[in-house]
Amino acid sequence: DARVTQTPRHKVTEMGQEVTMRCQPILGHNTVFWYRQTMMQGLELLAYFRNRAPLDDSGMPKDRFSAEMPDATLATLKIQPSEPRDSAVYFCASGPRQGQETQYFGPGTRLLVL
Amino acid sequence: QKEVEQNSGPLSVPEGAIASLNCTYSDRGSQSFFWYRQYSGKSPELIMFIYSNGDKEDGRFTAQLNKASQYVSLLIRDSQPSDSATYLCAVTRYGNNRLAFGKGNQVVVIP
Repeated sequence: DARVTQTPRHKVTEMGQEVTMRCQPILGHNTVFWYRQTMMQGLELLAYFRNRAPLDDSGMPKDRFSAEMPDATLATLKIQPSEPRDSAVYFCASGPRQGQETQYFGPGTRLLVL
Repeated sequence: QKEVEQNSGPLSVPEGAIASLNCTYSDRGSQSFFWYRQYSGKSPELIMFIYSNGDKEDGRFTAQLNKASQYVSLLIRDSQPSDSATYLCAVTRYGNNRLAFGKGNQVVVIP
């Protein structure tokens, strides 16, 4: 049963600390997306990759957020330094290939920054 | 104007009734349209997609697309308590994997 996995599932940290979230896309999928979901803003796209290359990170605060794909099986999202307003659920999703827009979501990382 | 709007408040429907959800989008270049279901505390899961004008049926779900009016809707027939969730509308341009999501509509099916 192929699925997107994310770690950690929950994270509580203090303001100013670095947070790293990891995602393993479905094997064979070549697009990876990072979303943030809050009650106020809904689901927002932060960044997306195709064949490990970043295509769009316009939704990401550049001064504190960074997203990478070190290899085809791992995507990371880092926040440094974290702030209370970063508290949200962060979802990773992957998609089969360009032209197939269907995305499959991971379980999410629930982040609380105190 | 937001790219994708879902303006209705929470929708309560009795079990067995039809739930109707609407979504409008601003980009006339949008080509692909999706409905995701999200249970509380869970991740969104795809339930329907539609590319062409008209209706597309899948079990108890029917998606309807009208590109001229820039809206897409979802009908849930014979609503069940297990359909109680938030339904997210998403759109994208052809060949561009970037999905724009609406904020969602909560559906509550009352037994």
